[in-house]
Amino acid sequence: ETGVTQTPRHLVMGMTNKKSLKCEQHLGHNAMYWYKQSAKKPLELMFVYNFKEQTENNSVPSRFSPECPNSSHLFLHLHTLQPEDSALYLCASSQDLTSGMSGELFFGEGSRLTVL
Amino acid sequence: AQSVTQLDSQVPVFEEAPVELRCNYSSSVSVYLFWYVQYPNQGLQLLLKYLSGSTLVKGINGFEAEFNKSQTSFHLRKPSVHISDTAEYFCAVRRQGGKLIFGQGTELSVKP
Repeated sequence: ETGVTQTPRHLVMGMTNKKSLKCEQHLGHNAMYWYKQSAKKPLELMFVYNFKEQTENNSVPSRFSPECPNSSHLFLHLHTLQPEDSALYLCASSQDLTSGMSGELFFGEGSRLTVL
Repeated sequence: AQSVTQLDSQVPVFEEAPVELRCNYSSSVSVYLFWYVQYPNQGLQLLLKYLSGSTLVKGINGFEAEFNKSQTSFHLRKPSVHISDTAEYFCAVRRQGGKLIFGQGTELSVKP
């Protein structure tokens, strides 16, 4: 079992659907992150949570809504998405923000999202 | 703003040959540099990092990278690659107090 688990691994949704991506970390970490990985583009940081509190929103459109009920779980709620939102969404965790800034990020395998 | 350029999008190489994956960053004081590897259908994994000290950094799986401040580069090298090294490699940079910025990635394809 990997330290960071993401479900579902694949998701296809229409532009009017509402769905959620789930991330769970079993590492006892306190910081969690959402990244977007589009083909041939650099990874984009979307959100950062530290001890369940959002510390960063990197100008992400409101059709993406994160939720962090506890330090082990992170959700990304999706609604009225656009085809250009199709990408691999990666969750990551770190012991804390300091270790995250030292590059000690542990990534999940990602959720491949296709918006039709 | 800080930026990272990975000069090669794809690098094909034969097994047991040496490889260098190039990374340049925009100049800034006090930068921290990282290489991550992403195997097929997996998330990213930290390969090595430079925070301070020796400019030659050794990482996992026999990889190493050298921080060259004058050339603003942090190229990744391995003297002899294996089939299992086939993956995408990402260079990333962070300046003090700033965000982690990733490059676009280099696909390393090792052929028998």
